[in-house]
Amino acid sequence: DAKTTQPTSMDCAEGRAANLPCNHSTISGNEYVYWYRQIHSQGPQYIIHGLKNNETNEMASLIITEDRKSSTLILPHATLRDTAVYYCIVRDRVRIQGAQKLVFGQGTRLTINP
Amino acid sequence: AAGVIQSPRHLIKEKRETATLKCYPIPRHDTVYWYQQGPGQDPQFLISFYEKMQSDKGSIPDRFSAQQFSDYHSELNMSSLELGDSALYFCASSSDFVATGNTIYFGEGSWLTVV
Repeated sequence: DAKTTQPTSMDCAEGRAANLPCNHSTISGNEYVYWYRQIHSQGPQYIIHGLKNNETNEMASLIITEDRKSSTLILPHATLRDTAVYYCIVRDRVRIQGAQKLVFGQGTRLTINP
Repeated sequence: AAGVIQSPRHLIKEKRETATLKCYPIPRHDTVYWYQQGPGQDPQFLISFYEKMQSDKGSIPDRFSAQQFSDYHSELNMSSLELGDSALYFCASSSDFVATGNTIYFGEGSWLTVV
């Protein structure tokens, strides 16, 4: 079962920062927070992941609260191509016969408006 | 950079027929995952393989089977197809032995339509 809670949908104006929240109140010390997005009927695309420190890459920034019970994905300058369903996923880093799978929850449908 | 390759991209089958989907992971990736995504639904995990052995199993019907071969490619075999099997099937791969630290990467999917 998915261990995260996200808003069903969000809107953001083009050029503005899009901030997508995620609650993961039952996260354990062994679990990472991963973010993926899926543009209509394409394969899920990896965005970023983190354990407890904030992370930034060329796509986005990930802010994780100190208690690790929630996080926010930030797309600094949203474009129309960022319209997609965004999934926040908690994934165990402990490997048992290979890396752990991803369990997708509902996700947030982000619409970027011109 | 090389990505996960899936074939065929589109497939149309009749009820009770058999279908086979193929997946070629990113080079040097040792783990393959299969997901099913029905219309308007989120991806659902079916099965995974690590070093050619089944490593985890999700909601995969008994009519489906899969394996990972010596070259690490994987095939998903679906028999006695039903209308409800119509979906987008994703393959994904990962590895602990590259700098990405076992991040999972997805292919573009195979569309299966059962008529």
